[in-house]
Amino acid sequence: DVKVTQSSRYLVKRTGEKVFLECVQDMDHENMFWYRQDPGLGLRLIYFSYDVKMKEKGDIPEGYSVSREKKERFSLILESASTNQTSMYLCASSWTEMNTEAFFGQGTRLTVV
Amino acid sequence: AQKVTQAQTEISVVEKEDVTLDCVYETRDTTYYLFWYKQPPSGELVFLIRRNSFDEQNEISGRYSWNFQKSTSSFNFTITASQVVDSAVYFCALSEGNTDKLIFGTGTRLQVFP
Repeated sequence: DVKVTQSSRYLVKRTGEKVFLECVQDMDHENMFWYRQDPGLGLRLIYFSYDVKMKEKGDIPEGYSVSREKKERFSLILESASTNQTSMYLCASSWTEMNTEAFFGQGTRLTVV
Repeated sequence: AQKVTQAQTEISVVEKEDVTLDCVYETRDTTYYLFWYKQPPSGELVFLIRRNSFDEQNEISGRYSWNFQKSTSSFNFTITASQVVDSAVYFCALSEGNTDKLIFGTGTRLQVFP
């Protein structure tokens, strides 16, 4: 079974802190994604990566950066956390064959106080 | 630009009722893919179905069925004889032929009461 694991289920951080959200997948997927889920807004793409060290901005990249040094790991970084970044963050991965289904992690609920 | 609309924010039904979740999409591409995902209370999105733009055949999988109509740009999902375990948020999503990015709708929360 494909497994996408996010390092934390719940996180509470203070405004201004640098925050790292980690995601690891075990199926050798080329593609990895970070989404943010908010009530009434669905899932919105923050960043995605097609390969190691490759990244592309999604629809809402402001305030975020990413790192992919190894194929299996994709990190989302909040350089200076703000209260409007309180949200559920979902990581996903997929094969590079076009348009295959993505597999999702269990999500990290981040609260910035 | 691509867009997915799920107009139903929340639906409540009683067990054994049939329920249809609507999904309308917009895209300029002739090649695209449509998906449905289920998000149970545990939070992890579960893939249900993928359909490409060249295959308009309806699909049935147990109590689940999907109706794809290009003429109305819709990809609706029906649950027959709903069960309490069907309670979840359901997302419709679109990806265009030249990208693996998934564009999601806002989701429909389905509550099935016993």
